[in-house]
Formats: sequence, structure tokens, C-alpha cells
Amino acid sequence: EAQVTQNPRYLITVTGKKLTVTCSQNMNHEYMSWYRQDPGLGLRQIYYSMNVEVTDKGDVPEGYKVSRKEKRNFPLILESPSPNQTSLYFCASGQGVRGYTFGSGTRLTVV
Amino acid sequence: AQSVTQLDSQVPVFEEAPVELRCNYSSSVSVYLFWYVQYPNQGLQLLLKYLSGSTLVKGINGFEAEFNKSQTSFHLRKPSVHISDTAEYFCAFSGGYNKLIFGAGTRLAVHP
Repeated sequence: EAQVTQNPRYLITVTGKKLTVTCSQNMNHEYMSWYRQDPGLGLRQIYYSMNVEVTDKGDVPEGYKVSRKEKRNFPLILESPSPNQTSLYFCASGQGVRGYTFGSGTRLTVV
Repeated sequence: AQSVTQLDSQVPVFEEAPVELRCNYSSSVSVYLFWYVQYPNQGLQLLLKYLSGSTLVKGINGFEAEFNKSQTSFHLRKPSVHISDTAEYFCAFSGGYNKLIFGAGTRLAVHP
């Protein structure tokens, strides 16, 4: 089954403790992206990757890092999380402009 | 600047009634348009998309949308809704390969 898998689904952490949210896709897509979803703001792009070792900032990249060492994986790294990064995060992969496949989401709470 | 405006944050409707969720976009380039649905505690699922061709696009679950270039709109419609259509709906467009630009979402609440 074609899918995007994110882990964990839920995460509660403390301010400043580094964390990684993993994302993996099995569709051989070159393009992957991370979004955060906040009430009333819709989804905003954090980072995207056009291919292995090619990443670029989206609209809200501050406080986040990504890496793309393999085509299937695109982890999101929060080096020093802060409460304003409490949000619902989605990973997506796609092919051209024909739409994305989204993961099930990671609900992160930073206290 | 490119943007998407969903004109209603919440739409309450009774079961079996018709519904329209409104979406306007702002872009100076050709766009590709999408509607996604998010059921509670789930990710986003593609409902339908407009890339080119016929301006009336049919999607899954009985939804359809009409692309209107002169009004820069892409409204989503369903002639008769079900309780199971209760969800949040996002309009999005892409002016290029790199990103989808999303609206703020419309929460559709279907009541018995």
C-alpha cells in the first residue's frame, strides 16, 4: 500500500530537549515536505526536499532542521524545542503538482 | 502575493441538504487547485484536483468543484451531505512544483 509513515503519532516533551520526527514514504517520490497545522492558519510549509541531499526552507523554517540522506526518509529535527512549536505536524510526498500523499500526523506538545 | 482564502471557517448544515464551501485564490500565474479533507485525528486526503481542461471537476464521495478563472474561485459542492462528511476541508493551490499553499480550512458540521 502506498503510504507516508510518520512517527511518533503523539509526543510530549520539555523545552530544549532535542527531538526527531521520522517520515518515510514507499512511493519512490523525489519530492517531500513538512507542514505544521495550527488552528485558523491552515497548513504552513516548514521545509521541503526536491531529492536526496537537496533541501530548502518553506514559509516557517525557524527552529527546525531536516535531512534527506535517502530518498524514502525525510526526518524533521527540533534541536531545542520551544512551546511555540506545539503543533500538529504533517509529512507529505508527491510527484509533480498532481497532489501530495500525507502522513497521519504527529501531535507535538512542548511544555 | 499568492494566497488562498476560504471564506467560511465553519459551515453547519443538516443531513441531506446541499452544501458549498467557498475558496478564492490570488495568483499571477497559472495554478493547479486542490481540495483536501481531514477527518478527525487523521491526515489529509485528496478529494479532487484541477490541473487543466474541464472546469467542473468531480472527486470522491460525491463532491465536485468548479474552477472559475475570472472570479479566481474554486468552490466545493455536494448536493446532499451525510453525517460522515463532517470534517475539515482545505483548499490549496500550487503555482509550481515546490509547494502547496493552503487556506485556513472550513469545518463542515453535518447535523441529523
